Amino acid sequence: DAKTTQPPSMDCAEGRAANLPCNHSTISGNEYVYWYRQIHSQGPQYIIHGLKNNETNEMASLIITEDRKSSTLILPHATLRDTAVYYCIVRATDKLIFGTGTRLQVFP
Amino acid sequence: ETGVTQSPTHLIKTRGQQVTLRCSSQSGHNTVSWYQQALGQGPQFIFQYYREEENGRGNFPPRFSGLQFPNYSSELNVNALELDDSALYLCASSLGGPGTEAFFGQGTRLTVV
Repeated sequence: DAKTTQPPSMDCAEGRAANLPCNHSTISGNEYVYWYRQIHSQGPQYIIHGLKNNETNEMASLIITEDRKSSTLILPHATLRDTAVYYCIVRATDKLIFGTGTRLQVFP
Repeated sequence: ETGVTQSPTHLIKTRGQQVTLRCSSQSGHNTVSWYQQALGQGPQFIFQYYREEENGRGNFPPRFSGLQFPNYSSELNVNALELDDSALYLCASSLGGPGTEAFFGQGTRLTVV
């Protein structure tokens, strides 16, 4: 499974959009991009995933570049409850390889 | 609420002992994976079970073993506990295959003293 690179931390004002970037330059054609988040000491929460098209659900939007080498997770209106560690994962198998993620701090 | 339940939520064991952790997968999910998360780190893949067979394993010694039952629930067994086994143990269930979502339980916090 391809490796991902994320910034270690980001801040976002409550009510603003949070844009979390992820680089996955070695992604191969059959690998999906997944996003999970983990709020302190809880199990990771599935957010969204995609292969090559942009995806949107009730939680977030996922924008994947045309060459698929990077992606952005967008939380359209961040709230304090969105403060968490966000993991970008590239996978072709059932195994999830977690990196160190991005710690998103939403402030009032 | 993911429908994946783990028990117990917390556990304290003594070094050298054995422990069994349990996971009930979401209804209809035939694949269960186990992860170990040490403090301050991301979860690390231990192994995966698909239809009662182990079909993938991470870099963990043989004293970490598992089972999956016909109803797709699963157990993680750890023998000869070491202090470094103290961690949050997570299980995730899915339908299996790329492009499917995996949903996690809330984990079991194991402390080895």
